[in-house]
Amino acid sequence: KAGVTQTPRYLIKTRGQQVTLSCSPISGHRSVSWYQQTPGQGLQFLFEYFSETQRNKGNFPGRFSGRQFSNSRSEMNVSTLELGDSALYLCASSLESSGRTDTQYFGPGTRLTVL
Amino acid sequence: GQNIDQPTEMTATEGAIVQINCTYQTSGFNGLFWYQQHAGEAPTFLSYNVLDGLEEKGRFSSFLSRSKGYSYLLLKELQMKDSASYLCAGSYSGAGSYQLTFGKGTKLSVIP
Repeated sequence: KAGVTQTPRYLIKTRGQQVTLSCSPISGHRSVSWYQQTPGQGLQFLFEYFSETQRNKGNFPGRFSGRQFSNSRSEMNVSTLELGDSALYLCASSLESSGRTDTQYFGPGTRLTVL
Repeated sequence: GQNIDQPTEMTATEGAIVQINCTYQTSGFNGLFWYQQHAGEAPTFLSYNVLDGLEEKGRFSSFLSRSKGYSYLLLKELQMKDSASYLCAGSYSGAGSYQLTFGKGTKLSVIP
């Protein structure tokens, strides 16, 4: 079974621009979560989508948004980029069985550099 | 928020045993994950503990004490390829689902 895929793998943008990142979950997985990883803060939760609905949201400004499509693929968007948005953005998918925690499997990430 | 604390760095010798500790807040806690992340790569799943006790999986074992808010990952017969960051993550009840909160990771260096 193919793993989680993310595109693009690397991205360079300038301040003020916007960016869209894409994530395709493992086939059959219905939940997609997004994380930002930086050396100082570690992995921080952005949001989680299930059945095209945002179910949980982390403590990030409204410039960070996302969506999920009917095939469970997900995108996240960052508008008005700031230097501090430079990070590795990781997507993780899980099966999502009712009433229990399922293991999240991570994609390779998108390395975003804001200049 | 739910704080997850783990040491920042550890160094151990090839062939030795190392224990990486993790403490977490118990309110709303459901279970504890350990992930391994090599530099420049994605985190990969190692273990998940829901019940108290030790779970062994080859050279790696993970322990959980729910009452103490404490977990550890035990790595035996260390190999050079075990040099990586080890992430402790607590699963907490969220809005209709469970949400993972990660520690900042423990960077393990294995030396000859």
